[in-house]
Amino acid sequence: EPEVTQTPSHQVTQMGQEVILRCVPISNHLYFYWYRQILGQKVEFLVSFYNNEISEKSEIFDDQFSVERPDGSNFTLKIRSTKLEDSAMYFCASRGDRGGTDTQYFGPGTRLTVL
Amino acid sequence: GNSVTQMEGPVTLSEEAFLTINCTYTATGYPSLFWYVQYPGEGLQLLLKATKADDKGSNKGFEATYRKETTSFHLEKGSVQVSDSAVYFCALYNQGGKLIFGQGTELSVKP
Repeated sequence: EPEVTQTPSHQVTQMGQEVILRCVPISNHLYFYWYRQILGQKVEFLVSFYNNEISEKSEIFDDQFSVERPDGSNFTLKIRSTKLEDSAMYFCASRGDRGGTDTQYFGPGTRLTVL
Repeated sequence: GNSVTQMEGPVTLSEEAFLTINCTYTATGYPSLFWYVQYPGEGLQLLLKATKADDKGSNKGFEATYRKETTSFHLEKGSVQVSDSAVYFCALYNQGGKLIFGQGTELSVKP
């Protein structure tokens, strides 16, 4: 069964450093998402991406964040200058939407620790 | 705006007990409703979904019925197993493209 994959599984970085989190969505999917989950809190939407552009972003997704689909398979989330409060689990998700399917499939997550 | 509220955890049950995890929502229009499960150390997995009023989603012995009149989507299972221990998230999707999650309910099943 096709699945969403994410790398790395755990990333440790120093405050102020740039990080890139990588995702490979399900191959025939058209919509891509990033969510995050701060430890012990709810899963929060960050950004959605369709047709090579951002379709929606939350107030969390400020100028320090960017997303890119550099080729036909990868979908990346970049944090330019990490802060302590960026420490969280980051989930990538994808959705097909041919015929209106609304189910999003999630990857296993990347745990980001900012020191 | 759209929001999801779940019962607080943790919920601790003995094996073979009956499970209910309450979920209520606030939304404009007619959202689709989901339950996702997160096993220890893993990501979010879709457990079940319902797309319109009175639909019942079911999977792996879990069930939830979309109740528009009470704006609820409570998760139930007749007989839980130790392997059901996980965090359960209720979520809604309302054409905006994003999922809106509840705060999650941790379930611990003891043998």
